Amino acid sequence: QQQVKQSPQSLIVQKGGISIINCAYENTAFDYFPWYQQFPGKGPALLIAIRPDVSEKKEGRFTISFNKSAKQFSLHIMDSQPGDSATYFCAASITSGTYKYIFGTGTRLKVLA
Amino acid sequence: DAMVIQNPRYQVTQFGKPVTLSCSQTLNHNVMYWYQQKSSQAPKLLFHYYDKDFNNEADTPDNFQSRRPNTSFCFLDIRSPGLGDAAMYLCATSRKYNEQFFGPGTRLTVL
Repeated sequence: QQQVKQSPQSLIVQKGGISIINCAYENTAFDYFPWYQQFPGKGPALLIAIRPDVSEKKEGRFTISFNKSAKQFSLHIMDSQPGDSATYFCAASITSGTYKYIFGTGTRLKVLA
Repeated sequence: DAMVIQNPRYQVTQFGKPVTLSCSQTLNHNVMYWYQQKSSQAPKLLFHYYDKDFNNEADTPDNFQSRRPNTSFCFLDIRSPGLGDAAMYLCATSRKYNEQFFGPGTRLTVL
């Protein structure tokens, strides 16, 4: 019940296309859902995050869509660029207690020029 | 700029030779975390401090220990590194329950 399932494992998108990465969770106590971007040899960097009281959050080309009833959330990268090529991790946490993230397994995105 | 700093960025040690990795932060966050990340895998939490309160994950090997002498610094000690401990070690911080900020990581090689 503590798992966060992430798909796809890898994704290849043409420059200018839309990249979509999906995550699903079981524990309804999760109340914070961040997305991290990680380049090779670097630490993860927070990209965007959402709480379950909203269904969508947009920051620039990055949008999180959140479906509370389906217990799913997704990251959409509009107008994907080669510089977006990285590994993306979703995560979930319960902010009232454990301070711990449950990470998804990661998606390796490659954007072709 | 406020940030999370990890030293060294690359560490090579011999099998069984103790090693210490360090993390410092200028964010004044009260929570500090240590993660282990192996190639193509998600970060795996080893332990975290909430202020001086230490919280160990159940599956963290006894070989791994940590110290937090003050708010700004946290250390990861690997007492007897094995080949399986070769990984990227990530330090992260957060203010209470908010988002975690990661450092650049230390790549550990065990010969």
